Amino acid sequence: QKEVEQDPGPLSVPEGAIVSLNCTYSNSAFQYFMWYRQYSRKGPELLMYTYSSGNKEDGRFTAQVDKSSKYISLFIRDSQPSDSATYLCAMSPSLYGQNFVFGPGTRLSVLP
Amino acid sequence: GAGVSQSPSNKVTEKGKDVELRCDPISGHTALYWYRQRLGQGLEFLIYFQGNSAPDKSGLPSDRFSAERTGESVSTLTIQRTQQEDSAVYLCASSLQTTASTDTQYFGPGTRLTVL
Repeated sequence: QKEVEQDPGPLSVPEGAIVSLNCTYSNSAFQYFMWYRQYSRKGPELLMYTYSSGNKEDGRFTAQVDKSSKYISLFIRDSQPSDSATYLCAMSPSLYGQNFVFGPGTRLSVLP
Repeated sequence: GAGVSQSPSNKVTEKGKDVELRCDPISGHTALYWYRQRLGQGLEFLIYFQGNSAPDKSGLPSDRFSAERTGESVSTLTIQRTQQEDSAVYLCASSLQTTASTDTQYFGPGTRLTVL
């Protein structure tokens, strides 16, 4: 079993739809949870991060962590074609980046 | 520059040749990371530099891989005697690595390496 699992997609949705992206993990030591967005031929950029369990909202994006189920989600409301990208989850037991473990990413297409 | 830059953006090489990839981090960022991203796979940590500390080389897949960093500036990743399985996008990231928040890494656009 991989340490972090993520459905690779591709996931295609119509503009305006609510998108749910998910990751599961096996390491109960993970405390920090991140979502990155990666456009084609670009490096990943940090969208949101959450510490421990709970929800965090930023504009159209909501990150949710359920440590008891070892499951994290990213919700995108009112999805736009500009949201079309690959979304990577990442998690870490510590604050520092050398311990980050990344999921393989989910490719999302939002169709106009 | 405003962001992390990497060069070259694309590199095609023949099996057995050596390649050198360059990363220019954001000025003032003390931490620098190299990752490998194979098609359809997550980022694979390779090596981490923090200030003048000894680098964390725990992710380097073999002794054909090495990296250097001059102070808190440019870093080069060298792959000797390249193999076809080395074909991937090599990403560099830098961060301030403060204790006030999580370690926000800023990524460069990557170098796409193809080994024929």
